[in-house]
Amino acid sequence: AQSVTQLDSQVPVFEEAPVELRCNYSSSVSVYLFWYVQYPNQGLQLLLKYLSGSTLVKGINGFEAEFNKSQTSFHLRKPSVHISDTAEYFCAVSDGNTGGFKTIFGAGTRLFVKA
Amino acid sequence: DTGVSQNPRHKITKRGQNVTFRCDPISEHNRLYWYRQTLGQGPEFLTYFQNEAQLEKSRLLSDRFSAERPKGSFSTLEIQRTEQGDSAMYLCASSKNQGEGTEAFFGQGTRLTVV
Repeated sequence: AQSVTQLDSQVPVFEEAPVELRCNYSSSVSVYLFWYVQYPNQGLQLLLKYLSGSTLVKGINGFEAEFNKSQTSFHLRKPSVHISDTAEYFCAVSDGNTGGFKTIFGAGTRLFVKA
Repeated sequence: DTGVSQNPRHKITKRGQNVTFRCDPISEHNRLYWYRQTLGQGPEFLTYFQNEAQLEKSRLLSDRFSAERPKGSFSTLEIQRTEQGDSAMYLCASSKNQGEGTEAFFGQGTRLTVV
């Protein structure tokens, strides 16, 4: 069975500082990995995804993530955050072998950017 | 195309009443998903349609829950005899045929409060 663990429930950081949001997954098959962002009272918006190929994936809003198969991790990073990045971030996995008709989400990490 | 649309955005109901939510997916997306999200948690998979066929239901979906997608376009999620534990955000998502890890596009959700 697939599962996703987001290691930090909250991450406070000052504006213009770098940030890393950690995600580990478990799966017995090949996977597709995603990071979504959710602003208050909104649905989820895709930041980036890893399907195959280069392990460093670049997404929107200056975010990037690195797939590490040996460590089963997919950590999200941004070199310099803005106040507007304050939101909930969800790491997710779907099953690559069967086409992944459903996505399993982690519990989320609340990023709080302080001025 | 304006994306995935969900109605209503908010619903307050008394315990024991029935409620129905509607989801209009992105046109030409043949896959539609329902998720439930409670406070502080990531979305949890409820059910999934490919066209009009409901192909999987989570164990979270008790007998009081029913979902339909009669013509393979919009979908409804009905909860009968609501309970306070049903209070949550109900998210709908749609995607194309997910052969290559295509991401799901989410609506803004319907927030249900059972009093």
